[in-house]
Amino acid sequence: AQSVAQPEDQVNVAEGNPLTVKCTYSVSGNPYLFWYVQYPNRGLQFLLKYITGDNLVKGSYGFEAEFNKSQTSFHLKKPSALVSDSALYFCAVRDMRGSQGNLIFGKGTKLSVKP
Amino acid sequence: NAGVTQTPKFRVLKTGQSMTLLCAQDMNHEYMYWYRQDPGMGLRLIHYSVGEGTTAKGEVPDGYNVSRLKKQNFLLGLESAAPSQTSVYFCASSFPGLAGVGYEQYFGPGTRLTVT
Repeated sequence: AQSVAQPEDQVNVAEGNPLTVKCTYSVSGNPYLFWYVQYPNRGLQFLLKYITGDNLVKGSYGFEAEFNKSQTSFHLKKPSALVSDSALYFCAVRDMRGSQGNLIFGKGTKLSVKP
Repeated sequence: NAGVTQTPKFRVLKTGQSMTLLCAQDMNHEYMYWYRQDPGMGLRLIHYSVGEGTTAKGEVPDGYNVSRLKKQNFLLGLESAAPSQTSVYFCASSFPGLAGVGYEQYFGPGTRLTVT
């Protein structure tokens, strides 16, 4: 079965420290992977994606993610966290069973950055 | 360029009432989706459409209907609302994707629905 797992419900980081939000996936074939951020009472905003190419993908707001095929992971990272990064983060993988572009989302990880 | 818009933003229904949520996108995207978001459950796909005049069921379609009469609009209907349909509903759209370009979905701001 195709799935996405975000093993941490919440991640707490001090401002200025590096942050990592974890994501693992299970799909058949080569995965298309995505990260989204949701601020309170807002819709999801696209951060970055991995389709093919370099394993390190750079996205919006200084975020990056590393695709690791052997570990089936796609962890989101940022070298220096900001209080304004506090939000809900979702990892997603494209459902490869069809051509509809459907995404399978993880349950989300709440990131809290303290001053 | 407004992106994806949703109306209404909030709504309170009584059990058994019906309503329609409207989603509009101005990016000329072929694909459109309706999700519901519930605490601790992430986003679950209700219905989707790969083009004007076509719709298909997602993961949790029961109790909902959809229509895509125009490419830019995707309507979600609740025929007889139930308390279990209390949720935040998100619409999204995407370009089908080709050679590494596209594939990501763009989301509207959401509709918060309460069924009492």
